[in-house]
Amino acid sequence: GNSVTQMEGPVTLSEEAFLTINCTYTATGYPSLFWYVQYPGEGLQLLLKATKADDKGSNKGFEATYRKETTSFHLEKGSVQVSDSAVYFCALSRDDKIIFGKGTRLHILP
Amino acid sequence: DTGVSQDPRHKITKRGQNVTFRCDPISEHNRLYWYRQTLGQGPEFLTYFQNEAQLEKSRLLSDRFSAERPKGSFSTLEIQRTEQGDSAMYLCASSFENFYEQYFGPGTRLTVT
Repeated sequence: GNSVTQMEGPVTLSEEAFLTINCTYTATGYPSLFWYVQYPGEGLQLLLKATKADDKGSNKGFEATYRKETTSFHLEKGSVQVSDSAVYFCALSRDDKIIFGKGTRLHILP
Repeated sequence: DTGVSQDPRHKITKRGQNVTFRCDPISEHNRLYWYRQTLGQGPEFLTYFQNEAQLEKSRLLSDRFSAERPKGSFSTLEIQRTEQGDSAMYLCASSFENFYEQYFGPGTRLTVT
């Protein structure tokens, strides 16, 4: 079946550190891939997306590349800020629905 | 702001009571989705509508759950005879048909005591 696996948190980093959150997926065909972010007390927001192999999604300094050969979509940011503290969800779109990973909580220390 | 809205934001109810939630999608979107998110988990798909037609229901949606979208605009999700296991955040999302991006509302947090 279709599923998403992402690294468990919480992940704690100092401000300006490099961030990687790993995500791998299992799916039939070629799904679209997403990263959603949930800030404290707020709803889910789409952070970035990629719709085909080798596409790179980017937004707010975050990037992720759709790697078909490794079925991965790792989230990266070169220099995190305290305001990036949130829960990040990797997800795929298949058969008109979105399938989410369990989420990774990120804490950024000043 | 014309994003997805949900009402109420919080609901506390006693086991066995019925509850109903409302979702107002982005007005131009013809698809509307319901998801459930429990603590420490990602959202899980429950059901979705295209206009007023309910096209798919997850096996997570037991007989106690019913969703409607009578005029193809807002939607309601009703849970009858609530159980403690129904405690969760209920999320609504909307999209254009054939568009992958779904836009989420703030959710309704249900607590069953």
